[in-house]
Amino acid sequence: AQSVSQHNHHVILSEAASLELGCNYSYGGTVNLFWYVQYPGQHLQLLLKYFSGDPLVKGIKGFEAEFIKSKFSFNLRKPSVQWSDTAEYFCAVNAGASKIIFGSGTRLSIRP
Amino acid sequence: SQTIHQWPATLVQPVGSPLSLECTVEGTSNPNLYWYRQAAGRGLQLLFYSVGIGQISSEVPQNLSASRPQDRQFILSSKKLLLSDSGFYLCAWSGTGVGYGYTFGSGTRLTVV
Repeated sequence: AQSVSQHNHHVILSEAASLELGCNYSYGGTVNLFWYVQYPGQHLQLLLKYFSGDPLVKGIKGFEAEFIKSKFSFNLRKPSVQWSDTAEYFCAVNAGASKIIFGSGTRLSIRP
Repeated sequence: SQTIHQWPATLVQPVGSPLSLECTVEGTSNPNLYWYRQAAGRGLQLLFYSVGIGQISSEVPQNLSASRPQDRQFILSSKKLLLSDSGFYLCAWSGTGVGYGYTFGSGTRLTVV
């Protein structure tokens, strides 16, 4: 069965630190991969997605993610975090053409 | 542009009462529609999805049901709520195929007392 694993449940960083959130997936077909973000009190919104082509994907607000097919991974990175990046981050993978499976989420807390 | 509306935003219901949560999409036709439940530390659990009117796929056995009476309307229901139905329910839509991801509604916080 398809699954998504986010091993970091809660990450605490200081401002300007670098960020990497891990995501591993299990799916045998062609993958579309996503990172969603949920800021406190706001909707879930798409941060970035991998569809095809360049495995290094740039998203909004300086985030990027790298698709490594051999490792079944799609880790999220940001070189220098800001306090406003405090949020919950969800990795997701398509499970067939009609639905997306989400990971359990990683809560990111940034110390000002 | 496309918009998704979900209501109510919050709901407190007694155990054993019925439930109806509604989700509508504007600005698109024949969307794929989804109901998820979000629980702390457990991410988003897919409950139901629909690729067309009257077509409902259920992902997990539970006390809930879904219906799609119109192309852009998706309803989550229960005949008798349980305490364990409490949670945050999210509706989402996508175009045909999910390659471009979903757009989520604002969610409904359901508390069963």
